Amino acid sequence: KAGVTQTPRYLIKTRGQQVTLSCSPISGHRSVSWYQQTPGQGLQFLFEYFSETQRNKGNFPGRFSGRQFSNSRSEMNVSTLELGDSALYLCASSLSRDEQYFGPGTRLTVT
Amino acid sequence: GENVEQHPSTLSVQEGDSAVIKCTYSDSASNYFPWYKQELGKGPQLIIDIRSNVGEKKDQRIAVTLNKTAKHFSLHITETQPEDSAVYFCAASQGAQKLVFGQGTRLTINP
Repeated sequence: KAGVTQTPRYLIKTRGQQVTLSCSPISGHRSVSWYQQTPGQGLQFLFEYFSETQRNKGNFPGRFSGRQFSNSRSEMNVSTLELGDSALYLCASSLSRDEQYFGPGTRLTVT
Repeated sequence: GENVEQHPSTLSVQEGDSAVIKCTYSDSASNYFPWYKQELGKGPQLIIDIRSNVGEKKDQRIAVTLNKTAKHFSLHITETQPEDSAVYFCAASQGAQKLVFGQGTRLTINP
């Protein structure tokens, strides 16, 4: 079975721009969660989607948003990018309320 | 909310020796405790997990113990090998969603 895939793997954006990241979960998994990883703050939960609905949300500003499609693929969007948004964005999938399996991440650099 | 503390931040052991990483959590409602291994340039890989109705779980050279009363859990790796070198993260959550991670332990196995 193929693992979690994330595109693109690397991205460079300028302050003030917006960005969309994509995640395809493991086949059959219906839950997709997003995490931000930085050297200073570590791994932090952004939000979780299940059956196209946001089921859980972390403590991030409204500039961070996401959605899930009927095929369980998910996207996250960050608007009005700030330098501090530079991070590795990780997507994890699970069947429902089970173990989470992570993708390789998208490395976002904001200049 | 939940807070997870992880120690030590770095650990260096001789090949063949054992390594122990410890985590404490604050929310007594947490009932799921996974451990992840992250290698350079990759996403976190689930290596073992434990739920609050179990005190210990083993998988070959890896074991995890949980003390619910003291709110701490530990990862034990025996007969360490060079390929065990990586950053290890503990996490805690209710229902395996919205994981709260520790700050990570960089484990180095010296040949």
